[in-house]
Amino acid sequence: GQNIDQPTEMTATEGAIVQINCTYQTSGFNGLFWYQQHAGEAPTFLSYNVLDGLEEKGRFSSFLSRSKGYSYLLLKELQMKDSASYLCAVMDSNYQLIWGAGTKLIIKP
Amino acid sequence: GAVVSQHPSWVICKSGTSVKIECRSLDFQATTMFWYRQFPKQSLMLMATSNEGSKATYEQGVEKDKFLINHASLTLSTLTVTSAHPEDSSFYICSARNSDTEAFFGQGTRLTVV
Repeated sequence: GQNIDQPTEMTATEGAIVQINCTYQTSGFNGLFWYQQHAGEAPTFLSYNVLDGLEEKGRFSSFLSRSKGYSYLLLKELQMKDSASYLCAVMDSNYQLIWGAGTKLIIKP
Repeated sequence: GAVVSQHPSWVICKSGTSVKIECRSLDFQATTMFWYRQFPKQSLMLMATSNEGSKATYEQGVEKDKFLINHASLTLSTLTVTSAHPEDSSFYICSARNSDTEAFFGQGTRLTVV
């Protein structure tokens, strides 16, 4: 079967750095997405990785290792507004998105 | 980035009535559109995939006669919840994909059936 695993909840302090991990097992791979979702809103696209390595975009970075079926989202200089759920999704060989359950990130002052 | 507009943002309807949700790609042609449903504190659940000009492909367990999907053009897909019941109350989200692999989401529609 196909599955995406990520921690259910994480807590971090304002101004600090947090890494959210995602491991996956899917039938085929056409890229991995990270989305941010605030409560009651639709997900917002953060990043897309299809090749191994680190992609940096401002305070957010995303890493991919296809051989390990592993990705992480790194958030630096955390702000209170970063409190949200972070969803990891993999596009399989049929170009469908397989979603993780999301990681709820709580930022404390 | 590309813009996907979903309308309405929220709707309240009576049991037994039908509700139509529109999903439009504003600045690109969407070859494929996806419809998702999300229950509180749960992950997105794919309901169906629609390609322009063809019938939608529904996921297992999703009633195609209840959730009617029409993808009449490359910029518009609609989801109609027919004979709505309170258990249909949920957050419905559409996603549109262009010829690349990136998917863009609509704002979502919060449906409440009373």
